Amino acid sequence: GAVVSQHPSRVICKSGTSVKIECRSLDFQATTMFWYRQFPKQSLMLMATSNEGSKATYEQGVEKDKFLINHASLTLSTLTVTSAHPEDSSFYICSARVTSGEKYNEQFFGPGTRLTVL
Amino acid sequence: QKEVEQNSGPLSVPEGAIASLNCTYSDRGSQSFFWYRQYSGKSPELIMFIYSNGDKEDGRFTAQLNKASQYVSLLIRDSQPSDSATYLCAVRIWNQGGKLIFGQGTELSVKP
Repeated sequence: GAVVSQHPSRVICKSGTSVKIECRSLDFQATTMFWYRQFPKQSLMLMATSNEGSKATYEQGVEKDKFLINHASLTLSTLTVTSAHPEDSSFYICSARVTSGEKYNEQFFGPGTRLTVL
Repeated sequence: QKEVEQNSGPLSVPEGAIASLNCTYSDRGSQSFFWYRQYSGKSPELIMFIYSNGDKEDGRFTAQLNKASQYVSLLIRDSQPSDSATYLCAVRIWNQGGKLIFGQGTELSVKP
């Protein structure tokens, strides 16, 4: 149990285009999901906290108009990188926190999306 | 001072030895502590978590927490080459919306 999926796993796009990444909790409901970014040889940096039915909370330095987050249901959050540029190339990982049941409060990660902007 | 600090390593141990990974945190409001393992190119996977002072054992893994010293560690007994990965310490701070704050990770290499 507590499986998180992400789609796509890998995307290559041209500079200036927008890319949408989906994060789904497959076997549990997640009122809160988190979006992280990881550059090579670095740790995970939290970008934003996504709450179902409300606006996301962005970390300092993260542009909310560039990284659009929508958490429309208890099992789906999306991150849209708008007008992507090469410096946005990174490994984007979502995570969902279990809010009930045996794995209450544990946080599980999706497999990640590797974005390359040409 | 970073909120969560780990030695970046690499930490190299021979197969069968005990690997000891350490983590310190700065926020005394931290309440939950997690260890994740991350293989190259993959996302983190949860190894174990600890909430209370003392030791918590799960198979070959033991997490140790000392809130007074703001210190959490992970011991891996009988280390195997398949344990070679980056180990991430994470701290949950409830007065910051319950988000996980990660350390920079310690790279572990287990030599056959």
